[in-house]
Amino acid sequence: DIVMTQSPDSLAVSLGERATITCKSSQSVLYSSNNLNFLAWYQQKPGQPPKLLIYWASTRESGVPDRFSGSGSGTDFTLTISRLQAEDVAVYYCQQYYDTPYTFGQGTKLEIK
Amino acid sequence: QVHLQESGPGLVKPSGTLSLTCTVSGGSINNFYWSWIRQPPGRGLEWIGYIYYRRDTYYNPSLKSRVTISADTSENQLSLKLNSVTAADTAVYYCARSTETRSDLFHDWGQGTLVTVSS
Repeated sequence: DIVMTQSPDSLAVSLGERATITCKSSQSVLYSSNNLNFLAWYQQKPGQPPKLLIYWASTRESGVPDRFSGSGSGTDFTLTISRLQAEDVAVYYCQQYYDTPYTFGQGTKLEIK
Repeated sequence: QVHLQESGPGLVKPSGTLSLTCTVSGGSINNFYWSWIRQPPGRGLEWIGYIYYRRDTYYNPSLKSRVTISADTSENQLSLKLNSVTAADTAVYYCARSTETRSDLFHDWGQGTLVTVSS
């Protein structure tokens, strides 16, 4: 299985500031034939199911605010929230879908400082 | 707007069988990939497996010997059965919809149902 490791485990950021979460895969999730990274990000607010935010490492799901952005390639990826809002408090997960079984990172808890 | 709702017993005895249903409204279960995903309390997400078009299935090898996913198109429902459960199977269980052509991104989710394995 591809192991996904996120850092940090928790993060506190001031409102309006930038939040950065990283995700590292145990093997590359870049498919060379189409140059796509099979990497997604989800947001899970307390008591709610996860919500898909970003796929192909950098493509925002419809309706996701543009303050959320994804970057990276191969084995190293980043989720950035450019101007943190109170509603962004959540746990964020990365997921690889390069190979089955699909696997998730352990999650990063984002709080307001 | 598709709506997914999981249901089933909240308590299962060790060595018993966990049985859950996901009722889908606002769209047909035909032609889409559907997955079950679980989340132990306070922990991360584990993908259990998917079903496509009522018969094509794929299971996480870690659970393959114990899990069955099926679909009832007449009721527009999916089901999950996990046998020989232990306390390690205690989790919130989600059903999720992918797309008509891909099984790997989870665009729509149910609210989840907590199943506790305990005597």
